[in-house]
Amino acid sequence: EAQVTQNPRYLITVTGKKLTVTCSQNMNHEYMSWYRQDPGLGLRQIYYSMNVEVTDKGDVPEGYKVSRKEKRNFPLILESPSPNQTSLYFCASRFSTGGNEQFFGPGTRLTVL
Amino acid sequence: LAKTTQPISMDSYEGQEVNITCSHNNIATNDYITWYQQFPSQGPRFIIQGYKTKVTNEVASLFIPADRKSSTLSLPRVSLSDTAVYYCLVGASFSGTYKYIFGTGTRLKVLA
Repeated sequence: EAQVTQNPRYLITVTGKKLTVTCSQNMNHEYMSWYRQDPGLGLRQIYYSMNVEVTDKGDVPEGYKVSRKEKRNFPLILESPSPNQTSLYFCASRFSTGGNEQFFGPGTRLTVL
Repeated sequence: LAKTTQPISMDSYEGQEVNITCSHNNIATNDYITWYQQFPSQGPRFIIQGYKTKVTNEVASLFIPADRKSSTLSLPRVSLSDTAVYYCLVGASFSGTYKYIFGTGTRLKVLA
């Protein structure tokens, strides 16, 4: 089944404790992206990757890191999480050409205490 | 990036046709218009995409006037399960759109 998977789905952590949210897709998509969703603010793009080893900032990259060492994986790293990073996070992927149809993962609900 | 403007919310009744309009005055020549649907605590799901005139698939129609400064998503005969948030985006993957602005979308509530 074609899908985007994220792990963990739920995470409660404390301020300053480094964490990684994994994202994997099995559709051979070149493009992958991370979004966060907060009440009243909609979906905001954090980082995106056009292909392996090629990443760039979205609208809200502060406090986040990403890497793209393999085509299928695009982990989101929070080196020192803070409470304002409490949010619902979505990973998405699509082909590099042919339209804007992105496939989204199920989401990761992160709480930073 | 072309910014989009949509109504914040809409109510409808089961069986009615729902039209959600999106304004994108600064749309670029190569941009496509794409609509997504999102249920609570789920990732957005692609509904339909178009460039001009009309596009129809099994779940929706998309109407785009000649000037392309707006578009209308049409959902025929909605049911309770169509209650969701609908997002309009513009961009063009084949010409290098990598950033997307989802905005806050339109919250559709379908009533029995």
